[in-house]
Amino acid sequence: GENVGLHLPTLSVQEGDNSIINCAYSNSASDYFIWYKQESGKGPQFIIDIRSNMDKRQGQRVTVLLNKTVKHLSLQIAATQPGDSAVYFCAENSGGSNYKLTFGKGTLLTVNP
Amino acid sequence: DAGVTQSPTHLIKTRGQQVTLRCSPISGHKSVSWYQQVLGQGPQFIFQYYEKEERGRGNFPDRFSARQFPNYSSELNVNALLLGDSALYLCASSPAGDVGNQPQHFGDGTRLSIL
Repeated sequence: GENVGLHLPTLSVQEGDNSIINCAYSNSASDYFIWYKQESGKGPQFIIDIRSNMDKRQGQRVTVLLNKTVKHLSLQIAATQPGDSAVYFCAENSGGSNYKLTFGKGTLLTVNP
Repeated sequence: DAGVTQSPTHLIKTRGQQVTLRCSPISGHKSVSWYQQVLGQGPQFIFQYYEKEERGRGNFPDRFSARQFPNYSSELNVNALLLGDSALYLCASSPAGDVGNQPQHFGDGTRLSIL
């Protein structure tokens, strides 16, 4: 079935440290993945995406790694800042579906000053 | 440019009532999707509309319905409200109907509370 989950429900880091948020997915047919950031009272905000023909993609202070062998996705945030505090979700296009995303439960990232 | 806009931002209803939520996509986007987010969970897919046609439906009862207008805005309707319908309802838009190649962009949602 479709299942996108997260290993760690909460993560607390010090300002300036690097953060790594992990995500496991079960559907090997999924070929597109997205990381979203959701702040309190807001909708999910797009961070970065990656297609299954890639294993790494970098953005501004963020890197997404995809390991298709073990069906694992991670989001790395460099030099974490207090403004990075939020819930982070990974989402997949549900086993090749071209019309919906399946989200995991989310990881709460807290950045301590 | 304006992002995805949703109205109202908050709504309180009682069991058995009906509700209509509205969404305006990003200018130029032709696809609108609706998601339900229960507190503490990730969003769950309800519908996708593209070019005014329903392209996908999630595992929700027939009490949930939606439509898309010629200007690509959309409405989500929920009939016979239950306590379990209390949630944040999110609308997302994308340029085309294929979400397998492009990110969906979300609005800030409508917080629906059922008493």
